[in-house]
Amino acid sequence: AQTVTQSQPEMSVQEAETVTLSCTYDTSESDYYLFWYKQPPSRQMILVIRQEAYKQQNATENRFSVNFQKAAKSFSLKISDSQLGDAAMYFCAYRSVYGNKLVFGAGTILRVKS
Amino acid sequence: GAGVSQSPSNKVTEKGKDVELRCDPISGHTALYWYRQSLGQGLEFLIYFQGNSAPDKSGLPSDRFSAERTGGSVSTLTIQRTQQEDSAVYLCASSLGTGAGDQPQHFGDGTRLSIL
Repeated sequence: AQTVTQSQPEMSVQEAETVTLSCTYDTSESDYYLFWYKQPPSRQMILVIRQEAYKQQNATENRFSVNFQKAAKSFSLKISDSQLGDAAMYFCAYRSVYGNKLVFGAGTILRVKS
Repeated sequence: GAGVSQSPSNKVTEKGKDVELRCDPISGHTALYWYRQSLGQGLEFLIYFQGNSAPDKSGLPSDRFSAERTGGSVSTLTIQRTQQEDSAVYLCASSLGTGAGDQPQHFGDGTRLSIL
């Protein structure tokens, strides 16, 4: 079974600075998808960025980018120019190409200081 | 269009009672998922529906939990004889379904269930 580990329960960043959230995963599969979701206090899970494992190029969405290291099974999220609205719980998630359910990590609370 | 809609937003009930949680997916989405998020934890998969296929119930924690999806649209998650450990946020998601490539899951706001 696949597992996802987020080793940072909580992180803080100063507004306008850069922060990196860590995620590692365990799988025996060679093809899969990885995601970062944001969950603000409203509870709704918002997809931030996704990565296909067969693509070597790291995904980027505006201020959000990932560092995907397939051999190391690492998938970190970098948030540049942090904004107060980025404060939320961030979840890393894995999905097999053969399955449908998402496997989530325990989450990292991100606090943004003004 | 409208997103995934869940009701009620919050539910408080006494231990031992049955509860029903509702999910209305995005129109046209054939895949529907239920997840449970316990306090301070990540999401735990419960059940998955895809079209008319038999649901994947592999994540249901006990036989007190069941779900159905009527007409390929609205889904109801039922918890019988609730226990205090059932207290959690129950999140529903939908997607366009399986097929070539990835179909992102879109989540509702969840139902916060509190068992007294």
